[in-house]
Amino acid sequence: DAGVTQSPTHLIKTRGQQVTLRCSPKSGHDTVSWYQQALGQGPQFIFQYYEEEERQRGNFPDRFSGHQFPNYSSELNVNALLLGDSALYLCASSLGGFGTGDNEQFFGPGTRLTVL
Amino acid sequence: KQEVTQIPAALSVPEGENLVLNCSFTDSAIYNLQWFRQDPGKGLTSLLLIQSSQREQTSGRLNASLDKSSGRSTLYIAASQPGDSATYLCFLSNDYKLSFGAGTTVTVRA
Repeated sequence: DAGVTQSPTHLIKTRGQQVTLRCSPKSGHDTVSWYQQALGQGPQFIFQYYEEEERQRGNFPDRFSGHQFPNYSSELNVNALLLGDSALYLCASSLGGFGTGDNEQFFGPGTRLTVL
Repeated sequence: KQEVTQIPAALSVPEGENLVLNCSFTDSAIYNLQWFRQDPGKGLTSLLLIQSSQREQTSGRLNASLDKSSGRSTLYIAASQPGDSATYLCFLSNDYKLSFGAGTTVTVRA
């Protein structure tokens, strides 16, 4: 049973560039949530996708956007990168979106983004 | 607004000692609470999930309790081992937010 997978593992970008991160959920899951984890901090919720729509969003600017595909995989896009966007980006999958499931989260290994 | 606090931020104990990790939260209207382990630079491994209607969960040397009325959860790790060294994070979900604490970094000295 394949768990949550993320790609790429590491990424280096320069300020102002755009980046796309990818996530495939655990088999049988239909919901994907994205988190940003800065060094030494807990993960911060970015947004959640369920039924190909953004269902909930944390306190992140519009530079952060996403997409969910019919096979439930998801992308996180960040435009106009800032130095402060350097972080570990984690993807989690679950069954059912907000209000419809128990939200038990299963995490992937993360993508380490460095912005120079 | 849900606030999640984990105290202490760091903990160092000798091997064999029992660990007690605390998580407090401000909004008791939660679906569930999860405890995770994170090794440096790695993703999160789920340790225990406590549903809103439950008071505790156990897995091997791990036991987690949930008291919604006081806004607290405690993770107990019995007979700690050097391999237990990691950061432990609590996570809560409710109708409007998914929230993590900042974590407690545990070092078990051999």
